[in-house]
Amino acid sequence: DTGVSQDPRHKITKRGQNVTFRCDPISEHNRLYWYRQTLGQGPEFLTYFQNEAQLEKSRLLSDRFSAERPKGSFSTLEIQRTEQGDSAMYLCASSYRDKSTDTQYFGPGTRLTVL
Amino acid sequence: KQEVTQIPAALSVPEGENLVLNCSFTDSAIYNLQWFRQDPGKGLTSLLLIQSSQREQTSGRLNASLDKSSGRSTLYIAASQPGDSATYLCAVKISSGSARQLTFGSGTQLTVLP
Repeated sequence: DTGVSQDPRHKITKRGQNVTFRCDPISEHNRLYWYRQTLGQGPEFLTYFQNEAQLEKSRLLSDRFSAERPKGSFSTLEIQRTEQGDSAMYLCASSYRDKSTDTQYFGPGTRLTVL
Repeated sequence: KQEVTQIPAALSVPEGENLVLNCSFTDSAIYNLQWFRQDPGKGLTSLLLIQSSQREQTSGRLNASLDKSSGRSTLYIAASQPGDSATYLCAVKISSGSARQLTFGSGTQLTVLP
């Protein structure tokens, strides 16, 4: 068990470009979450998967954002036509529902800078 | 809508002091509450999780309490060390509906001076 991993760790892009981030959850975890964190704020929920099904999306997830988890393992988050306001840390978390906790474990994040 | 507030936003203490970080939430119908630590530019590390039926959890020098009726939690750090310097975030998971996400506060940035 190597924990939740995210790739890339840093991404710098120009406004209008598309970017894609990857998250690999802890192997036996069936739930996967994406959050966005801006400087000085706590993370804000974006979307949630149970296995391959995307069960919930925040209003923060505009139509320029799309997330997938095709085989119920890794997930990708794509942002199309990036804007400067998209600059943030994108965090992925995973969990496994058991009787007691459903604790979310977070990855190191991908820091996006849109110039 | 659940709102989570953390006070103070920043705290600086000398090494060895005991300290308390505060977290309040507006909707008491929570499933659990979690305290996290975040180092600059890094992801989140879970410190303690308290289920809604519990009053407190302890891990080493850390003790977290939960008072659902008043919508408050505290994180107590004993004998603080410079290595404790980080941002501490609390997050709640609501218990109604299908929502599984955490709602976070903005964090308390702690600096422990040697």
